[in-house]
Amino acid sequence: QKEVEQNSGPLSVPEGAIASLNCTYSDRGSQSFFWYRQYSGKSPELIMSIYSNGDKEDGRFTAQLNKASQYVSLLIRDSQPSDSATYLCAVSGGFKTIFGAGTRLFVKA
Amino acid sequence: DAGITQSPRHKVTETGTPVTLRCHQTENHRYMYWYRQDPGHGLRLIHYSYGVKDTDKGEVSDGYSVSRSKTEDFLLTLESATSSQTSVYFCAISATSGGLDTQYFGPGTRLTVL
Repeated sequence: QKEVEQNSGPLSVPEGAIASLNCTYSDRGSQSFFWYRQYSGKSPELIMSIYSNGDKEDGRFTAQLNKASQYVSLLIRDSQPSDSATYLCAVSGGFKTIFGAGTRLFVKA
Repeated sequence: DAGITQSPRHKVTETGTPVTLRCHQTENHRYMYWYRQDPGHGLRLIHYSYGVKDTDKGEVSDGYSVSRSKTEDFLLTLESATSSQTSVYFCAISATSGGLDTQYFGPGTRLTVL
């Protein structure tokens, strides 16, 4: 069975620090990788997508992909209290996507 | 906002009653999905659709049926609700973003089965 694993957390970081969120996946045929942010009581919203090995940066967010290790990560620089949410890793091999259970991030002011 | 609405947003029902949740999209997307989200399990796929009258099962389809008679509407039906179906239900569409097929979610429906 295809799986996406994340540490459930909570991950607690002080304001201004770098938050590092990690995800591993089991299907070597996976092609696209996503990070969603979900605030309590809200729906998941896409924050980053990546499909090639290496780093992809967008503002304070950097997604990192290592297909050989089947590992995806999300770095959040200069973390803010508003970044406190659950972050879902998602992996896709086509039109179907598998989601991890999410990591709760708490940014302390 | 991918132009997705869900109705109702909240529903409380009793065991054994039928329940239908509606997902409506305004942008003519081909693929639509129903997920449920429960603590510790993340998002799990119930059913999906790849066109009008074309649907298929996901990993947790038992006890659920779907219908898609129009491109814009995807209905999820619980024929006889059980307490184990208490959950938050999200509809999603797939759209191309940056060359990738990416899923975007509706606001969700919180269903409580007593």
